[in-house]
Parts: sequence; C-alpha cells; structure tokens
Amino acid sequence: DAGVIQSPRHEVTEMGQEVTLRCKPISGHDYLFWYRQTMMRGLELLIYFNNNVPIDDSGMPEDRFSAKMPNASFSTLKIQPSEPRDSAVYFCASGKAGVADTQYFGPGTRLTVL
Amino acid sequence: RKEVEQDPGPFNVPEGATVAFNCTYSNSASQSFFWYRQDCRKEPKLLMSVYSSGNEDGRFTAQLNRASQYISLLIRDSKLSDSATYLCVVNFLYGNKLVFGAGTILRVKS
Repeated sequence: DAGVIQSPRHEVTEMGQEVTLRCKPISGHDYLFWYRQTMMRGLELLIYFNNNVPIDDSGMPEDRFSAKMPNASFSTLKIQPSEPRDSAVYFCASGKAGVADTQYFGPGTRLTVL
Repeated sequence: RKEVEQDPGPFNVPEGATVAFNCTYSNSASQSFFWYRQDCRKEPKLLMSVYSSGNEDGRFTAQLNRASQYISLLIRDSKLSDSATYLCVVNFLYGNKLVFGAGTILRVKS
C-alpha cells in the first residue's frame, strides 16, 4: 500500500511568494496532521483534521498560514506571503482512530524561502 | 518547562554497546507513550509503543514510570544501523494529538 504522499519534495521560493504544500493521506485514515520541523524548534504540530474537519489549529504560527482538507484524500498547507523564517521541513502524517494513536509520516517537503 | 524533555546527546557508542535514553513529560494525564526513530533527512517512524508494564521488541526495551513521569529506551547490542535520532512522544489525552520531544542523537561507531 502507498504511504503518505507529499508534494513537492523540495521547494525554493522568494520571500513574499505564495507556497502550497500538498498531502495525500493513507487511504482509510481519518486523521491528518501537518507538522513543521526546524533545528531550533524541533517537530511542531501546526494543525490536525479529523474526518476532514480542522480540530486544533493552535500551532499555526500566524495568519499567513492556512490549511484545508476538501476531501478524505487530499490536504493543502498554504503560506502567503512566505518569509525566510518559514524555511523548514513540513511533514504531513495520517492516522486511524483507535489504533494506538500511531501516525504515519510522509517524506516531507523541504521549503527554502530566500 | 517543555512538555516533553530529552537529553539531545549525541550519544557516541561502539558497536555492541548498550545505551539508554531517558525522557520526562509534564502532563500527568498523558495516556499514550511512544518512541519514534528519525534517520537523517527522513521522516519520523514509529519504533515502539511504551506500555505501563514495560515492553521489549528484540534488542529494544521501553519502560514507563508514571509516578515520575519518565520514559526510557534501552538498546542492547547496538548496530551501526541504529544510528539515528530517537524521539520521545506523548499523547496528551485529547484527540490524537502527539507531542514530540526534541530527540536524542545516537551515533554507533565501528
């Protein structure tokens, strides 16, 4: 079975540009999570969805960040406008309710904002 | 105080050594505990869950002390392939939200 799929794998953009990261969770999983990882702050949860509904977005750093999940097989994380401090690896993970809270991570998107 | 704290290391050990990592968590209501492993420039992957009675998976043993809010991971007979960052992870009861520690770096050398 395919794991969590993320695209693009690498993104280099200039400050002020809009960035859209994409995620396809594992089929049948009802939870989807967006994380950001940096050397300074480690792995931080940004937002998570249950059955396509945002449950907790308290980790979203500011209004420049938004996330959507229009259906069970697709989610986006958008940054507009992007800033150099947004440079990080962004992971998407999915999980299935009742299975010991195990989360399966995608390969990540390495974002560099110049 | 961080919600999940780990010694960042790095732990540099020779092949065949036994090494132990510790982790403390702040929320006494936490219900689920895990160790994840993350290789360089890769995604985190579940290594093992941690149960109240302690559990073992091959060379790996996990222990939980709820009274002290402390989790440990013991690796016996270290292999070169064990070199990675080990993340202590706690579920703080509500929903499926996991909180990750900053990770402990392990380097196993021949």
